[in-house]
Amino acid sequence: GAVVSQHPSRVICKSGTSVKIECRSLDFQATTMFWYRQFPKQSLMLMATSNEGSKATYEQGVEKDKFLINHASLTLSTLTVTSAHPEDSSFYICSARDGVSQETQYFGPGTRLLVL
Amino acid sequence: AQSVTQPDIHITVSEGASLELRCNYSYGATPYLFWYVQSPGQGLQLLLKYFSGDTLVQGIKGFEAEFKRSQSSFNLRKPSVHWSDAAEYFCAVEGRDDKIIFGKGTRLHILP
Repeated sequence: GAVVSQHPSRVICKSGTSVKIECRSLDFQATTMFWYRQFPKQSLMLMATSNEGSKATYEQGVEKDKFLINHASLTLSTLTVTSAHPEDSSFYICSARDGVSQETQYFGPGTRLLVL
Repeated sequence: AQSVTQPDIHITVSEGASLELRCNYSYGATPYLFWYVQSPGQGLQLLLKYFSGDTLVQGIKGFEAEFKRSQSSFNLRKPSVHWSDAAEYFCAVEGRDDKIIFGKGTRLHILP
């Protein structure tokens, strides 16, 4: 089946720094990727929809200047958490839709972010 | 707007017993429906999905789910659970805008 990877799997950073998380579709081209965050023992909340070659669409309440999303190619989307604060500590998961089959979205393994 | 309700936050069953996890959705048309499983600290694994056709869907690990339009439900079932099934289970719905909305999840505990 299709594989989506995320890098890094875990990251610890100091408050005020920026962190970049990569989401890659390994064996298919993804015109659309999605970014979710999950707080401990809670569900996944959609943050934004990332479209290749265009600006991301953010869900209500998500700060677009804080969570920068770039989808520069059909296999890579990045999420940059700028000026991270402890409350940004979370589990970030991406998903990607196969641009050809247009069926299931495939989820990455997630990135655990801890901001000290 | 689409939404997903999983009414049970926790479910405890004995190993070998049958399982049913409930899921109700709200959507104006026939949605795409999914069940995912998540082990602690891990990503999501797709158990099964319903797009159209046969309303009884077979998935991996012996799971199945039945789409009931009249009840707006998509309950997950397994005839005999194993200790390794202990995890968090998420029901999800995808609408025409490609966005997947997740339920709050049901934590499954297995008694030996």
